[in-house]
This record gives sequence, C-alpha cells and structure tokens, in this order.
Amino acid sequence: LAKTTQPISMDSYEGQEVNITCSHNNIATNDYITWYQQFPSQGPRFIIQGYKTKVTNEVASLFIPADRKSSTLSLPRVSLSDTAVYYCLVGRISSGSARQLTFGSGTQLTVLP
Amino acid sequence: DAGVIQSPRHEVTEMGQEVTLRCKPISGHNSLFWYRQTMMRGLELLIYFNNNVPIDDSGMPEDRFSAKMPNASFSTLKIQPSEPRDSAVYFCASLLRGPGSYNEQFFGPGTRLTVL
Repeated sequence: LAKTTQPISMDSYEGQEVNITCSHNNIATNDYITWYQQFPSQGPRFIIQGYKTKVTNEVASLFIPADRKSSTLSLPRVSLSDTAVYYCLVGRISSGSARQLTFGSGTQLTVLP
Repeated sequence: DAGVIQSPRHEVTEMGQEVTLRCKPISGHNSLFWYRQTMMRGLELLIYFNNNVPIDDSGMPEDRFSAKMPNASFSTLKIQPSEPRDSAVYFCASLLRGPGSYNEQFFGPGTRLTVL
C-alpha cells in the first residue's frame, strides 16, 4: 500500500504562494493522487486530483513528476482563510475496492497576516 | 443539493449503550464511505459501499461495529456495545465514481461521538 509522507506543519504569509510536497514512494500504476483540505469541525473538502504531469483548477495546481513518487500541491496567493489541514491521498476507488484510502497525518498550514 | 447529511451531529452516550449514526449521501452518487477521525489515528476508512453493496470493510475495527445501506439514499453505522475508545468524529462521504473522478469524495459535517 502506498504510504504518504507530508510535513507536519507550514507557515506562510498572506499573498504568498505555498507549495506542500507529499512523498509516496510505492505508488501503484493505477493510483491517483488527490488532495483534500480540512477546516476545524468540518469534513475534508476535495481540492484537486491528478495522475501525472500537471493539473490546474480554479484554486490550486498539482505537480507530479514523471516517476510519480511525489507530488506538490501549489496554492497561489494564500489568504488567512486558507489556514487548514491539507491531506495527500494516494489510491483509487473502483467497483471492487477502495485501495489505500489512507489520509495520513496531513499538513497544518497556517497563513499569517 | 444539500450535500451529505449526517445525524446526529453530536452524540453523548454511556459505555455499553448502542449507538446508531445516520447518513444521507448526495443524490445520484453510487459510492458511500464511513470514516473515523481521532487525534491519535487520524482519518481512517471504516467501510466502503458501491451501489449499496459493502465492498471493503477491512477498516471496521471489530464485531461491535456494523454498517448497512438499505437503499441508495441512506446508510447507518452502528456500534454495539459502545466503549470509551470509540469516541471520535465519524464522517460519511459519497462519490459519483466514474472516469476522471475516481477519488473526489464529498464529506458530510460529521458526528462527534463521546462515550463516557
């Protein structure tokens, strides 16, 4: 099973770009990489998902190198409201399994004014 | 859509009592998950249903835990008998599994369970 490793915490200032890297050395061929955001007293919220190279949506970018053993979530111009825990999730849900839906410990991002 | 609905939001019970947590997934979603979150163990997957059928229950901690999904719009997680170590936040999530959205789960607000 693909184990993920993320920094426990990160600090940033408003307006800066934040990059959070996740290591997943034994990712499987069919696994996808997904990032979630969680605020206190709320359920996790989907941010972005990718398989390889780069994916961008309206809130973030996800960079995945060719070997797929790591991935980097990039948040452009963070604000105070981006203070949350960010989880990297590696696996794939299919009709027959929910392989490796382990969220890990996450990264506590604190955005300072 | 109202999103994933869970009830109750908070539950306080005494050791040995039966606890039933409820979940209404997003209409049209074909997959449902139950998670448990604690400070010590983080977010753990308990069970996964696909089209109302339990597919993966390897995360269910022991026989005291059981989950059902009698139809596409309702699921329950039952703990009988409850123990203090079951105290946690329990999340339900649903997903429309298909090409390009393999892992995009929608989580409910959670049920905070306290077992005294």
